[in-house]
Amino acid sequence: EAGVTQFPSHSVIEKGQTVTLRCDPISGHDNLYWYRRVMGKEIKFLLHFVKESKQDESGMPNNRFLAERTGGTYSTLKVQPAELEDSGVYFCASSPFPGAGVFNTGELFFGEGSRLTVL
Amino acid sequence: AQSVTQLGSHVSVSEGALVLLRCNYSSSVPPYLFWYVQYPNQGLQLLLKYTSAATLVKGINGFEAEFKKSETSFHLTKPSAHMSDAAEYFCAVSPPNRDDKIIFGKGTRLHILP
Repeated sequence: EAGVTQFPSHSVIEKGQTVTLRCDPISGHDNLYWYRRVMGKEIKFLLHFVKESKQDESGMPNNRFLAERTGGTYSTLKVQPAELEDSGVYFCASSPFPGAGVFNTGELFFGEGSRLTVL
Repeated sequence: AQSVTQLGSHVSVSEGALVLLRCNYSSSVPPYLFWYVQYPNQGLQLLLKYTSAATLVKGINGFEAEFKKSETSFHLTKPSAHMSDAAEYFCAVSPPNRDDKIIFGKGTRLHILP
């Protein structure tokens, strides 16, 4: 069974440009999460999809970030225009159930991450 | 609000020595606790989890962690380090019985000395 895949693995862009990151979750996983890790900091939650709906987007830093999950399958995270502070590793994770609720004890299945460098 | 504190961004131990990675949490209710590991060029994977059953939790690769409510800690240990344990380890917390997000700590990079 294929795991969570992310593309690209590394992207280098200049300030002001646009970048789109893609995540393909494990087939059948309704829950998809985006996290970001800025160098040396904690892995921070960005948002959570349940199928195609945004369940929680409280971690999105500002309106330069746009996440979509059309059709409830793969997801994209677009940064436009990119700023220097957006550099970091963007992780996608999926899970068959949300959070750490009664039916799920919290295991998230992570992709390898997309490293974004903004110059 | 929940939070996790990992003491030490880098820890070095000799091969064969005890591994101890520290994690303290803050939560208004007894949480679920996790340790994730990221090996080089790989995604994070679950090492072990505490979900209110036994306080001593055993995970993969010989790791274990003990939930201590009185100390609000969930330290990760392994009796004898192996070179292959070199990785970054993340402690994480989530409120139980709620569909809420998992909060991660800053991570501890474990170096194994030959």
